[in-house]
Amino acid sequence: GAGVSQTPSNKVTEKGKYVELRCDPISGHTALYWYRQSLGQGPEFLIYFQGTGAADDSGLPNDRFFAVRPEGSVSTLKIQRTERGDSAVYLCASSSTGGSSPLHFGNGTRLTVT
Amino acid sequence: AQSVTQLGSHVSVSEGALVLLRCNYSSSVPPYLFWYVQYPNQGLQLLLKYTSAATLVKGINGFEAEFKKSETSFHLTKPSAHMSDAAEYFCAVTRGDTDKLIFGTGTRLQVFP
Repeated sequence: GAGVSQTPSNKVTEKGKYVELRCDPISGHTALYWYRQSLGQGPEFLIYFQGTGAADDSGLPNDRFFAVRPEGSVSTLKIQRTERGDSAVYLCASSSTGGSSPLHFGNGTRLTVT
Repeated sequence: AQSVTQLGSHVSVSEGALVLLRCNYSSSVPPYLFWYVQYPNQGLQLLLKYTSAATLVKGINGFEAEFKKSETSFHLTKPSAHMSDAAEYFCAVTRGDTDKLIFGTGTRLQVFP
């Protein structure tokens, strides 16, 4: 089966614009995670879904960031009024049950805000 | 809150030498610990994990890690480095199935011929 798929792979946007980043997890995986990785840093936790609900959104930096997973499969990370500091690689991962089961990562979306 | 600290952002070894990448954790409950590897231009992939069974965990590509509760450590080792081991290595911790996975800042391993 396919792995975790993230689209687009690259996104360039102007400061102040709205962007949506999509994640297709491995089929059947109930847990889905979003992370942000800046150059030279480890993945920074943003939000974690179990099924359709956000189990932990404590990593979202502010109210410009929002994520949904309406049917418990595909997830969309939404960023409003983008700022240059939002530029990073956004990683999505899924796992079969949650924290103790291995995460399967996508290749990420590289977001550049000009 | 749980966290991990990786000592040394860069480690350089010669091919054939011992690899030692350090990770110390902080957790209020018995943790689950992981090492992930990121090869150049590739996504993160699991190397090995500790989930409270054997304290010495063997992973892929000859890597292993030992959980030491008294030292709150989970260091990653490989007896003999190979050129193909050059990558970024991340230690991570979670409290379990209902909890998020938290990553360290990573250690970049360079292997010289």
